[in-house]
Amino acid sequence: KQEVTQIPAALSVPEGENLVLNCSFTDSAIYNLQWFRQDPGKGLTSLLLIQSSQREQTSGRLNASLDKSSGRSTLYIAASQPGDSATYLCAVEGGSNYKLTFGKGTLLTVNP
Amino acid sequence: DAGITQSPRHKVTETGTPVTLRCHQTENHRYMYWYRQDPGHGLRLIHYSYGVKDTDKGEVSDGYSVSRSKTEDFLLTLESATSSQTSVYFCAISPGTGDDTQYFGPGTRLTVL
Repeated sequence: KQEVTQIPAALSVPEGENLVLNCSFTDSAIYNLQWFRQDPGKGLTSLLLIQSSQREQTSGRLNASLDKSSGRSTLYIAASQPGDSATYLCAVEGGSNYKLTFGKGTLLTVNP
Repeated sequence: DAGITQSPRHKVTETGTPVTLRCHQTENHRYMYWYRQDPGHGLRLIHYSYGVKDTDKGEVSDGYSVSRSKTEDFLLTLESATSSQTSVYFCAISPGTGDDTQYFGPGTRLTVL
């Protein structure tokens, strides 16, 4: 059974800092890995999707990397802003029918 | 934002009562999913659909049933609600045609007393 772990569970940084969120998964036979953002009381917003054949994806200040063989992904956020404060979730698709297994998330707080 | 709506957005009900949650999409996506989100457990898949009338169980399907009679609607039914089903329920959709991204609805907060 696939298990997804996100470390740290919570992170507080000053505005402007570059930061890295970590995600690890136990079964390396994945199709893709997705990073989401969730604001309090809201649904999830897709940030980046990395196919299993890719090593990284970039969107604006966000860069996600994937090392499938070691079962790890990182989400790099450059020049963090208070508006980046949210819970960041990582999820892996490991089988058919596009089913995702989620980590429990990292709660990020960016202080002005 | 992807066109996904969930109804109701909030519901309070009593133990033993049947409850139906509705997910409606305007994107014509093939795949639809129901998740529940609980503190300490994260998001867990309840049921999913890969087409009209085609559904399958997820990780935590006991006590839940689903139906999809039209592409745009996916219903989640709690046959006899229990307090352990108090949760936030999210619907998600995915195109399933080379784009694996899942798009989430705003959620339904269900409280079972």
